[in-house]
Amino acid sequence: IQLTQSPSSLSASVGDRVTITCRASEGISSYLAWYQQKPGKAPKLLIYTASTLQGGVPSRFSGSGSGTDFTLTISSLQPEDFATYYCQELNNYPYTFGPGTKLEIK
Amino acid sequence: QLQLQESGPGLVKPSETLSLTCTVSGGSISSSTYYWGWIRQPPGKGLECIGKIYYSGITYYNPSLESRVTISVDTSKNHFSLRLSSVTAADTAVYYCARHNRGAGPSALDYWGQGTLITVSS
Repeated sequence: IQLTQSPSSLSASVGDRVTITCRASEGISSYLAWYQQKPGKAPKLLIYTASTLQGGVPSRFSGSGSGTDFTLTISSLQPEDFATYYCQELNNYPYTFGPGTKLEIK
Repeated sequence: QLQLQESGPGLVKPSETLSLTCTVSGGSISSSTYYWGWIRQPPGKGLECIGKIYYSGITYYNPSLESRVTISVDTSKNHFSLRLSSVTAADTAVYYCARHNRGAGPSALDYWGQGTLITVSS
């Protein structure tokens, strides 16, 4: 299974609403997770099963989708949200990751 | 609080075997709810799952690496290990260990080690 993400990079301002898209090469039901990674740090799980928020993750993060098309939305960007975001399919091992979307400050 | 910590040599010579151990603290590696995995990330690039192991020893490997990878578990020491043979410069990466939570979607990686940079060079 191949995953694509769009855009590959994005410039936005604090307070903006941002949407990142992940597309799978074949249907994966709702078996998709989203991660946030900051430079020099391990990825952090944000969302699993496409839309379930991991404990402790702020509610401004949300996910949706099923089948082949998925989105991650940040409703109001905060300074700590500038990072790289990866989707990952959890339908079949080796659980491919998307190439990432780098979110930068405008 | 669960913690995972990778350990092993940071420099490996080409054609040799990379060996890493992930020690789990704050929880048991023998829980039926979790698999334990290795993920790597070449400098400036994306993430790749290498393999995962259940406490019973059941393993799943990435087909692209399967011929060179062995993952094992030692429940008495609460740790699991990675061996990657015949390494080349293409294996230079940050290697992470992480927990696959079978209750999260269905196997999301919910706890990660800090990662360790492994450089393959003579």
